[in-house]
Amino acid sequence: EPEVTQTPSHQVTQMGQEVILRCVPISNHLYFYWYRQILGQKVEFLVSFYNNEISEKSEIFDDQFSVERPDGSNFTLKIRSTKLEDSAMYFCASSDLGTYYEQYFGPGTRLTVT
Amino acid sequence: KNQVEQSPQSLIILEGKNCTLQCNYTVSPFSNLRWYKQDTGRGPVSLTIMTFSENTKSNGRYTATLDADTKQSSLHITASQLSDSASYICVVSPDESGGGNKLTFGTGTQLKVEL
Repeated sequence: EPEVTQTPSHQVTQMGQEVILRCVPISNHLYFYWYRQILGQKVEFLVSFYNNEISEKSEIFDDQFSVERPDGSNFTLKIRSTKLEDSAMYFCASSDLGTYYEQYFGPGTRLTVT
Repeated sequence: KNQVEQSPQSLIILEGKNCTLQCNYTVSPFSNLRWYKQDTGRGPVSLTIMTFSENTKSNGRYTATLDADTKQSSLHITASQLSDSASYICVVSPDESGGGNKLTFGTGTQLKVEL
């Protein structure tokens, strides 16, 4: 069964450094998403991406964040200058169509900022 | 502000027993409500999706109900198994006018099934 994959599974970085989290969505899906989950808290929506542009974003998704689909398979989340509070699990998801359709989540990347 | 509240926060039941988890939401305008299962350290896995016109939906031993008038949903698990131990998360999606892809997640109910 097709699945969403994410790399790396765990990333440790120093405050102020840039990180790129990578995702390979399910191949025929058109919508892509990033979520984060701070330890012990609920999952929070960051951004949705369709047709090579951001379709929606949350208040969390400020100028330090960016997303890109650099080729036909990868979907990346870049955090420009990491802060301690960026430490969280980051989940990528994809869906074949938009609003009303099931989103398939990847296993997540645990980001630790020291 | 869109919110999703779940109860109980945690629950312990014996294997083979049934349980019901509750969800209340204030998301408006409403499009659909989803229940996800999340194992520790893993991504959420979808159990059911219901639109405002659906009252109930089943997926094996999982049955979700929705009352769009009172903005309440429940997830009923029958004949629980040890593998049901996980966090169960209620997730609500606004319709496209409200930002359809901005899913709002509840904090989840942590279920533990014991022998």
